[in-house]
Amino acid sequence: GAVVSQHPSWVICKSGTSVKIECRSLDFQATTMFWYRQFPKQSLMLMATSNEGSKATYEQGVEKDKFLINHASLTLSTLTVTSAHPEDSSFYICSAPSPLAKNIQYFGAGTRLSVL
Amino acid sequence: AQTVTQSQPEMSVQEAETVTLSCTYDTSESDYYLFWYKQPPSRQMILVIRQEAYKQQNATENRFSVNFQKAAKSFSLKISDSQLGDAAMYFCAFSGSARQLTFGSGTQLTVLP
Repeated sequence: GAVVSQHPSWVICKSGTSVKIECRSLDFQATTMFWYRQFPKQSLMLMATSNEGSKATYEQGVEKDKFLINHASLTLSTLTVTSAHPEDSSFYICSAPSPLAKNIQYFGAGTRLSVL
Repeated sequence: AQTVTQSQPEMSVQEAETVTLSCTYDTSESDYYLFWYKQPPSRQMILVIRQEAYKQQNATENRFSVNFQKAAKSFSLKISDSQLGDAAMYFCAFSGSARQLTFGSGTQLTVLP
């Protein structure tokens, strides 16, 4: 079946540095991908919709300059957390819609970000 | 905007017994999908079951079934013959025309041996 690969699975970085998270659709093309954020014991909150070849659509309250999204190809979207701070520590999950089954999403395994 | 509400933060069930997780939602859309996702400790999101709003028949997947009450905007999940591997966080989710998912706050299910 269709698979979404997310890398890295866990990253630790120093405060002030930037971290890039990759989300790849392995056997299908995805013109749209979604990025979610999940704090411990909380739900998934949509951060932004990544659109291939155009600007991402950010949800209200999400800083565009803080969370840079690039969707340069039909199989890859990246989320860069710029100048990371401890409050950015969270679990980040990407998903891509199935090209076949309406409204089915394929999820990456998630990235745990810890900012020291 | 859509909202999804799960009023049970935690539930527990004895192994082999049946448990029902509750979910209500609100939307002005007429064409939408509802989902139950399972998130085990690995945190990988796993689709449990999907319901299309225009279908009156309740979806069933093996031991998992839903009770979809469209007028009441209710979408509960029933797990029959509960197994230890069912222990996880369960999220109810909504997807409409925009295709992104709106999640409820989740229900942590514990299965007691």
